[in-house]
Amino acid sequence: RKEVEQDPGPFNVPEGATVAFNCTYSNSASQSFFWYRQDCRKEPKLLMSVYSSGNEDGRFTAQLNRASQYISLLIRDSKLSDSATYLCAPLGGTSGTYKYIFGTGTRLKVLA
Amino acid sequence: NAGVTQTPKFQVLKTGQSMTLQCAQDMNHNSMYWYRQDPGMGLRLIYYSASEGTTDKGEVPNGYNVSRLNKREFSLRLESAAPSQTSVYFCASSPTDNYGYTFGSGTRLTVV
Repeated sequence: RKEVEQDPGPFNVPEGATVAFNCTYSNSASQSFFWYRQDCRKEPKLLMSVYSSGNEDGRFTAQLNRASQYISLLIRDSKLSDSATYLCAPLGGTSGTYKYIFGTGTRLKVLA
Repeated sequence: NAGVTQTPKFQVLKTGQSMTLQCAQDMNHNSMYWYRQDPGMGLRLIYYSASEGTTDKGEVPNGYNVSRLNKREFSLRLESAAPSQTSVYFCASSPTDNYGYTFGSGTRLTVV
């Protein structure tokens, strides 16, 4: 099993729709989790962090299910500008050695 | 506020040539990282530096060396480039190693 797995998509959704992606991770010791957004041919940009059960920022909600070892990202009222690839990154290790393992990303296309 | 600056943005090398990718951050971050991103493989950690004066291998260190020159700068050296090192290279930094990352804009390297 890969350390981090994401459905590559693409998820094609109309503007205004709600869409959710999941990310499963294998390291049960992972302590915090991050979602990044990456536009085509650009660098990843931090979108949200999840340290406990979940986090909400405007239209974006991230949730963590430790028992089933997955994190999810929910986007409400999708905008054209939300079209991007979304990378999840569980963080594991001990202080001084924390490292991310990045998923390969889920591609979202929001259609007019 | 420049954030993380990488140079060069593009480079073409011949097999066997050497080069150094430069990375500098102006956010007073302690931790810095080098990743490569290949289609279908996601972001893979090459080397990281949890704090000034320390460096450690990541997932794919073979063929690379790094130098944490000071707190701001973290360079990646390819001593003898190979076609397998054709990739997009991202430098990133974070306040400490359990925070989200800020990425540079990347270096697109082609080895022919």
